[in-house]
Amino acid sequence: AQSVTQLDSQVPVFEEAPVELRCNYSSSVSVYLFWYVQYPNQGLQLLLKYLSGSTLVKGINGFEAEFNKSQTSFHLRKPSVHISDTAEYFCAVGYYGGYQKVTFGTGTKLQVIP
Amino acid sequence: EAQVTQNPRYLITVTGKKLTVTCSQNMNHEYMSWYRQDPGLGLRQIYYSMNVEVTDKGDVPEGYKVSRKEKRNFPLILESPSPNQTSLYFCASSLNRDSPLHFGNGTRLTVT
Repeated sequence: AQSVTQLDSQVPVFEEAPVELRCNYSSSVSVYLFWYVQYPNQGLQLLLKYLSGSTLVKGINGFEAEFNKSQTSFHLRKPSVHISDTAEYFCAVGYYGGYQKVTFGTGTKLQVIP
Repeated sequence: EAQVTQNPRYLITVTGKKLTVTCSQNMNHEYMSWYRQDPGLGLRQIYYSMNVEVTDKGDVPEGYKVSRKEKRNFPLILESPSPNQTSLYFCASSLNRDSPLHFGNGTRLTVT
């Protein structure tokens, strides 16, 4: 069975410090991956996506993620966070083969401390 | 402006009273889907639609119905709501199977 795990439900970090939000998945078929961000009282917005090609993907707002097939991971990183990055972040994995199926992780709340 | 529009944003209802949450997209997307978001559980797919008149169950379809009579609209119907359907609901659409999802702003439903 396919699954997505975001190990950290909450991550506090000081402003201007680096951050890594972890995402691991399990799958027996090829995958494509996304990170979405949800600000309070809003829907989800796409941060970045990986379909194929270079394993290092750059997204909006200075975020980047690296696809690691051997470790089945797609961790999100930012070298220096801002207060405005305070939000909930969701990893999502899509599975090739059959119908479109995107599975979301349980989310990680990033709290940036001034 | 490209968008997914859900209505209403907030809805309080009583057990058993039928309700419909509307969803419309203006991007000519083939694929549409409904999710519910609950604390600690992330987003779980309720139903999805690959095209007009083509719908299928997601992970948590019990208690919900959908229809896709037009490409742009994908309403979510709760025939007899129950308190365990109190949740935040999102409609989403995408161009094709591996395209990113575009989300509406959500509908917060409370069933008493």
